[in-house]
Amino acid sequence: DTGVSQNPRHKITKRGQNVTFRCDPISEHNRLYWYRQTLGQGPEFLTYFQNEAQLEKSRLLSDRFSAERPKGSFSTLEIQRTEQGDSAMYLCASSFRQGGSGELFFGEGSRLTVL
Amino acid sequence: AQTVTQSQPEMSVQEAETVTLSCTYDTSESNYYLFWYKQPPSRQMILVIRQEAYKQQNATENRFSVNFQKAAKSFSLKISDSQLGDTAMYFCAFMKSFGNEKLTFGTGTRLTIIP
Repeated sequence: DTGVSQNPRHKITKRGQNVTFRCDPISEHNRLYWYRQTLGQGPEFLTYFQNEAQLEKSRLLSDRFSAERPKGSFSTLEIQRTEQGDSAMYLCASSFRQGGSGELFFGEGSRLTVL
Repeated sequence: AQTVTQSQPEMSVQEAETVTLSCTYDTSESNYYLFWYKQPPSRQMILVIRQEAYKQQNATENRFSVNFQKAAKSFSLKISDSQLGDTAMYFCAFMKSFGNEKLTFGTGTRLTIIP
């Protein structure tokens, strides 16, 4: 297993278009997280899944954003009607919760530029 | 809600020297975890070191150690014998012990190791 994989790595789109990002977590990990990181800031939590269930969504996640994790494996993050303010790095992370704190393993991120 | 503050946006140090990165946090929780994550340029974020709040002993991982002051809500990272590969953004992060492994990040410190 090579770690958390995210695709595409870079996406340039025009305002108003829809975009979708995919995250493949480490195979035995049951938890999957999405974060957003803008320039000069630390990552901000968006949402997380335990297996296929989406357990929490941040208020940052407007109704234009939707995330899924069918069958508890890979996850997709879709942004509809993109706005320039959506330009950011979208980070995916996974962990295996085994009581206590599970270390999060991050992917390299998907950078979105909205023109 | 938890907050994490990193007051040093940028730091630089000569190779082989020691550098300390500062972090303060605010929480009403009594049990929690603190982390330092490293994000090299164009690479994924990786865990450097972790501290459980209930442990009085400061965590150490090879050249990396922390100074955890629970009463002062301070959590600094010391890097000894710094190496060129230590050049990266460093993020301090907070996680509640019970509940999801949702991280709250600081804004980061950009560390440059000068040859």
